[in-house]
Amino acid sequence: NAGVTQTPKFQVLKTGQSMTLQCAQDMNHEYMSWYRQDPGMGLRLIHYSVGAGITDQGEVPNGYNVSRSTTEDFPLRLLSAAPSQTSVYFCASSPRGAYSNQPQHFGDGTRLSIL
Amino acid sequence: AQSVTQPDIHITVSEGASLELRCNYSYGATPYLFWYVQSPGQGLQLLLKYFSGDTLVQGIKGFEAEFKRSQSSFNLRKPSVHWSDAAEYFCAVGALNNAGNMLTFGGGTRLMVKP
Repeated sequence: NAGVTQTPKFQVLKTGQSMTLQCAQDMNHEYMSWYRQDPGMGLRLIHYSVGAGITDQGEVPNGYNVSRSTTEDFPLRLLSAAPSQTSVYFCASSPRGAYSNQPQHFGDGTRLSIL
Repeated sequence: AQSVTQPDIHITVSEGASLELRCNYSYGATPYLFWYVQSPGQGLQLLLKYFSGDTLVQGIKGFEAEFKRSQSSFNLRKPSVHWSDAAEYFCAVGALNNAGNMLTFGGGTRLMVKP
């Protein structure tokens, strides 16, 4: 059972570089989301998707882009990395919204450092 | 907009002692509440959830939580802590927005267990 797979696990970037954080799930979940985790602030929602072809902004979307071309994949793109984007990023998926009986499943995270 | 407050950033308890982690939420309707645990370098694992019905919910690893609407609280408890419980704990409230699923997390409580 792979669940939610995030790659890479660690990444160091220079300011201004771009990169894509990958997220894949094999549970046929409709909902997928990206969070960032910073000390003392819990997890904050960046972007989410309710199905293939549909995405929307969360609480802290600036500096990030997403797309959802398939049910399985939900990549997060940093177009021009900034030191403020140093964080741990988590991808999550669930078969339906939080109103259902199905909680979100989380990946193991990507630790990103911007120099 | 919903919010979650975990007043205790760090808590230290002795192994075998009882534990209570506090969580207060703000939400305009009946909330859907979750507790997640995060071990170092890992993703988030669901401990328990409250959707409706009995206000005392049982979770995995011997944890339980009680929903108190009058106090807007959802405190996590365990009668006897084990060294393996040392981790960070997150309370979250789920809400359905225009299109789907959104979780709002508290800032987390880091639990340390003394031998």
